[in-house]
Amino acid sequence: DQQVKQNSPSLSVQEGRISILNCDYTNSMFDYFLWYKKYPAEGPTFLISISSIKDKNEDGRFTVFLNKSAKHLSLHIVPSQPGDSAVYFCAASASFGNEKLTFGTGTRLTIIP
Amino acid sequence: NAGVTQTPKFQVLKTGQSMTLQCAQDMNHNSMYWYRQDPGMGLRLIYYSASEGTTDKGEVPNGYNVSRLNKREFSLRLESAAPSQTSVYFCASSASRGRFNTEAFFGQGTRLTVV
Repeated sequence: DQQVKQNSPSLSVQEGRISILNCDYTNSMFDYFLWYKKYPAEGPTFLISISSIKDKNEDGRFTVFLNKSAKHLSLHIVPSQPGDSAVYFCAASASFGNEKLTFGTGTRLTIIP
Repeated sequence: NAGVTQTPKFQVLKTGQSMTLQCAQDMNHNSMYWYRQDPGMGLRLIYYSASEGTTDKGEVPNGYNVSRLNKREFSLRLESAAPSQTSVYFCASSASRGRFNTEAFFGQGTRLTVV
């Protein structure tokens, strides 16, 4: 039972354009959502997060949008740069009960120069 | 500031052998986690520890044991390795901040091959 889903295994975007990565979740108890970026042979690194009391959070070129009614979040990267090429994982947690993160399967983003 | 340190980085085991993966964090975090990453499966939680002295099963605990030795260290043990345990293992830690959790910080991973 995949509670966090990333339905696009891969995405290619031209340098300078917008990259949009999508994530859906099924557990209505999730109230904190995160995006991680992973380069080959490295551990995932935290990128940006959003709590359920917000619908948007912005950090430089990265913006995360949360649509609670649709149980959907997205990560926008504008403008996309070659260094953004990596695997992006969406993750979610529920603040009551435990703190563990549930991850999606990841989307491999390739930025084309 | 080292963050989360995992050892070893690479390991090859024969079926039936045992080994312990070590993890230490220097960020004074309460929570620590062990994940495995497999192609097409994302990151799956094996075990986690919300605080020193407590451990709980995650999504895929079978074949593994853990020890939260102290606040800094959280080890993962494979008692009798199987080829299905060939994977990349990541240790992570996180702090709590009020109602909402904070981000987890990951180690660089251990690539384990069981032949």
